[in-house]
Amino acid sequence: GAGVSQTPSNKVTEKGKYVELRCDPISGHTALYWYRQSLGQGPEFLIYFQGTGAADDSGLPNDRFFAVRPEGSVSTLKIQRTERGDSAVYLCASSFRLAGKDTQYFGPGTRLTVL
Amino acid sequence: AQTVTQSQPEMSVQEAETVTLSCTYDTSESNYYLFWYKQPPSRQMILVIRQEAYKQQNATENRFSVNFQKAAKSFSLKISDSQLGDTAMYFCAFMADLNSGGSNYKLTFGKGTLLTVNP
Repeated sequence: GAGVSQTPSNKVTEKGKYVELRCDPISGHTALYWYRQSLGQGPEFLIYFQGTGAADDSGLPNDRFFAVRPEGSVSTLKIQRTERGDSAVYLCASSFRLAGKDTQYFGPGTRLTVL
Repeated sequence: AQTVTQSQPEMSVQEAETVTLSCTYDTSESNYYLFWYKQPPSRQMILVIRQEAYKQQNATENRFSVNFQKAAKSFSLKISDSQLGDTAMYFCAFMADLNSGGSNYKLTFGKGTLLTVNP
């Protein structure tokens, strides 16, 4: 079946602008995760959704970052007043939350560049 | 908190040869999972192999196998018969078991090893 999809693939914006990054998880996966990958680093956890609610948003760096998943499927990561330090690849993953079936499957990411 | 360390920033191997990538981790959890993910230039993070910590038998997936040493907290990946398409960043990752308390959904990644397979 279809994997995790993310749009846009690349986003270039100017400092101070607002951006939205979209994630479409694998059908039937109840859990959705956002990670941020800076250049030369492994991905770092941002937020985890179980269904529609954010079960853990402790990885969001500050209150300029916000994510929603209103219908328990598609999620949008929103960044206000972007800064150059926000430039990174934003990865989305989804999974079941069942013992033995909780492997996270990743999308291709959105590369965000803030000029 | 868990930490994952990959001490080899870059490695190279000749096509058809065998290469081993190293990973060590630190945790106080008794039940957990370990993963190797591959990230080619396309950025897509692809699962290579998964190991449950309670299983003594090392996981294998075709040309990929692991050497899991729980007491030493070591989890290395062996790639046999290396192919040009294996060229990628390889990330080792940890996740606490679903039935553990705390953050049993958060993957903790190492910094990665860039593997180049040469023709």
